[in-house]
Parts: sequence; C-alpha cells; structure tokens
Amino acid sequence: QITLKESGPTLVKPTQTLTLTCTFSGFSLSTSGVGVGWIRQPPGKALEWLALIYWDDDKRYSPSLKSRLTITKDTSKNQVVLIMTNMDPVDTATYFCAQSLTTIKALDVWGQGTTVTVSS
Amino acid sequence: SYELTQPPSVSVSPGQTASITCSGDELEYKYASWYQQKPGQSPVLVIYQDTKRPSGIPERFSGSNSGNTATLTISGTQAIDEADYYCQAWDSSTYVFGSGTKVTVL
Repeated sequence: QITLKESGPTLVKPTQTLTLTCTFSGFSLSTSGVGVGWIRQPPGKALEWLALIYWDDDKRYSPSLKSRLTITKDTSKNQVVLIMTNMDPVDTATYFCAQSLTTIKALDVWGQGTTVTVSS
Repeated sequence: SYELTQPPSVSVSPGQTASITCSGDELEYKYASWYQQKPGQSPVLVIYQDTKRPSGIPERFSGSNSGNTATLTISGTQAIDEADYYCQAWDSSTYVFGSGTKVTVL
C-alpha cells in the first residue's frame, strides 16, 4: 500500500522560509519512472502544481514560482523536502505531495495535505 | 506557460450524463488526466492518459481527448459524484492543472 504524508509548520510569518517534508511508504524513489510532486490549493481555489523530483534527481519547477522553490530527496529516509522562500499571505494554502509516475504521466496517490497559513 | 480552461460549473440530474470539458493548445498531445476532489479531501485520480481508468474507479467515468479539448464523461451520474473535477496535462515533463469544475447533482 502506497501512502504519503506531509508535515511542516502550520503558521509562518511573511518573508520567512517554509520547509515541508513528504514522508512516503510503499514505493522507492530510486525506482525508474517514479517521482514525487508537490501541489498546493489556496482556500476555495484550484490546484496548483509546484515542483517535481524524479528517481534520477531530475527536478522540475512551476515557471511562476521557480525562483522561490527548491525540491530535494532523501531516498534512504523515503522523504522529499520542498523549500519555499519569501512567504507571503497569498501562499496560504493546503500543500499536498503525491506520487508521480512517468508511465502514466499523472499523480496517482496523494497525501492528506497540510495547511499552511502565512500571517504576521 | 501552458494553460487549461474548464467551465466553472456543470449541473446534472441523477442518472443522466455529465460532460466536463478541458481546453488547451494541442491538448491531444499532452496526456490528459482527471481528478475528483470532494470537500475536505485530497484529489483522487479518475482518468489518466486521456481514456484510462485506475483500478477501483467505476466504469461510469470515461475520458476522451481530441484536438484542443479533453472531456470527462460521467454516465449515470450518482449523488456521490458531486465534487470538484480538475483536468491535468503533461507538458514538458511537468504538470499543469485546469481551473476546476464543480459538478452539482440536482
């Protein structure tokens, strides 16, 4: 059974850096074709894809947020970390991580999400 | 950057067919997927690679993709299908989501 779980702070101040961790089980991020992506959803709004890291350490970022994002993986710990700098109240959202498979070009299993509020 | 457009809302009567469209430039080449999201829950993949259903997804969910438009069809819509639906494209090894469509079963 594949599971993913997001963790991190629930509240950050404007201009601070957000660090989120996705801890997963049931698959390996060293397996060819496997990736982990991050997606966010502001309250009442649409999903927005943020970043993706592949088994071979290839990394992809949303063009609109690329300058603020860093994604890394720790294969031995089954974790993927997303860092977002210079947080702003508009970054208030639920942040999800999900397994990505290049074979189906979709996000087939999602975590439960973690809510992050940006406020002073 | 690549953009996908969906209608904000679709209404359907129980037992009828709901069709949700997703428009984007040359979308037929970008492996459209669809996700269902109910309030307070994480999205669930219901269609991938235009027409394929993951294990456990009911047969009443089907997809198509031609030209600039992908379509999710729910046949024999049930009350439990009331949710937000998002299309997603695969563009240059990255993901793009549509704006989402709220399906209301009246």
